[in-house]
Amino acid sequence: GDSVTQMEGPVTLSEEAFLTINCTYTATGYPSLFWYVQYPGEGLQLLLKATKADDKGSNKGFEATYRKETTSFHLEKGSVQVSDSAVYFCALPQGAQKLVFGQGTRLTINP
Amino acid sequence: SQTIHQWPATLVQPVGSPLSLECTVEGTSNPNLYWYRQAAGRGLQLLFYSVGIGQISSEVPQNLSASRPQDRQFILSSKKLLLSDSGFYLCAWSVPDHLQTGDGGQPQHFGDGTRLSIL
Repeated sequence: GDSVTQMEGPVTLSEEAFLTINCTYTATGYPSLFWYVQYPGEGLQLLLKATKADDKGSNKGFEATYRKETTSFHLEKGSVQVSDSAVYFCALPQGAQKLVFGQGTRLTINP
Repeated sequence: SQTIHQWPATLVQPVGSPLSLECTVEGTSNPNLYWYRQAAGRGLQLLFYSVGIGQISSEVPQNLSASRPQDRQFILSSKKLLLSDSGFYLCAWSVPDHLQTGDGGQPQHFGDGTRLSIL
């Protein structure tokens, strides 16, 4: 079945460091791909999405490119801030109604 | 624009007590609705989803039940809470199947969650 694998966390970086959170997927066809962010004590927010191969989703300085050849959708940011500390989830649709989520990657940014 | 509301934000309940968590969506009709649970430091577990009034699909057999009495209202219930029911409960909505464009799938949009502690 469809699945998503995220890099193991937690990830700890210093402010202004470069961030990559890896996400690879297994799916039938070419589904849309999503990154969600969950700030402490809050629900999940859709951070960015890509709907087809080679699409690049971007938001709040974060980017992710839909790579069909490597079945990946890695999340990147050039210069992280303390306010980016959160848990990040990669996800893809399962059928018309459900989403399959990765296990989440906890990111901590130190000043 | 669409909004989703969950309440209460925090709840502390004794073991064996009943539970009712409510979720409502505004600004859309006939949404797909979802209940998830997130245990501390863990990922998301889909509990129930609904594609219409009175239509509930259960993903994990357990001590909880869900109901959808109105188009944009989704309720999570339990008759007797267990210690293992503690967690962070999230409601979400997505565009209904008949309004989805393309075949890539739609995102879900989440509420702020309810933190449930069982004592």
